[in-house]
Amino acid sequence: GQQVMQIPQYQHVQEGEDFTTYCNSSTTLSNIQWYKQRPGGHPVFLIQLVKSGEVKKQKRLTFQFGEAKKNSSLHITATQTTDVGTYFCAGRTGTASKLTFGTGTRLQVTL
Amino acid sequence: DTEVTQTPKHLVMGMTNKKSLKCEQHMGHRAMYWYKQKAKKPPELMFVYSYEKLSINESVPSRFSPECPNSSLLNLHLHALQPEDSALYLCASSQANLGGLPYNEQFFGPGTRLTVL
Repeated sequence: GQQVMQIPQYQHVQEGEDFTTYCNSSTTLSNIQWYKQRPGGHPVFLIQLVKSGEVKKQKRLTFQFGEAKKNSSLHITATQTTDVGTYFCAGRTGTASKLTFGTGTRLQVTL
Repeated sequence: DTEVTQTPKHLVMGMTNKKSLKCEQHMGHRAMYWYKQKAKKPPELMFVYSYEKLSINESVPSRFSPECPNSSLLNLHLHALQPEDSALYLCASSQANLGGLPYNEQFFGPGTRLTVL
């Protein structure tokens, strides 16, 4: 079945440092979504990417979808303590109803 | 209203009990989902309902029984659970196109933290 892996599993940064998480799918994706889950919370949608090579920005967050539509990345510039949480990518293949979540990257930010 | 509500927040049950988890949304979404999430793991899809019909069952054991009474409500009936079923159960909803296929973002509820003794 489809597998979606993320690296790193965990990253600890000082506030102000940059952070990147990488997402790799075993199959070609029709689209990819990113979610953030704060400790003790539930996943919250951040963005959806659909086109090959697509890049989208949301303030300090930059999302990229690979040319082959099998990988994606999320880059956070100048992290803040409010960025703490686990970031999941989630991919959909074809017209499937199912969204497969990546393994997640837990981000810890300290002052 | 962009909220998905779930009750109860916490549930402790014995292996012989029968209980139900409830989920409600008023965003007009026609796709609703149940996920199971263990600690430090991603959400795992259990069921998808599209236009009140079950469209995906991810080979979930029959001790979990979903129900979608109407377009706003989703239930998960629990019976004879095992301790390894203890987890956070998340409900989510999203738009679905006219073909019944979900698309766009999923809105998650806060979850029910289930403990099976």
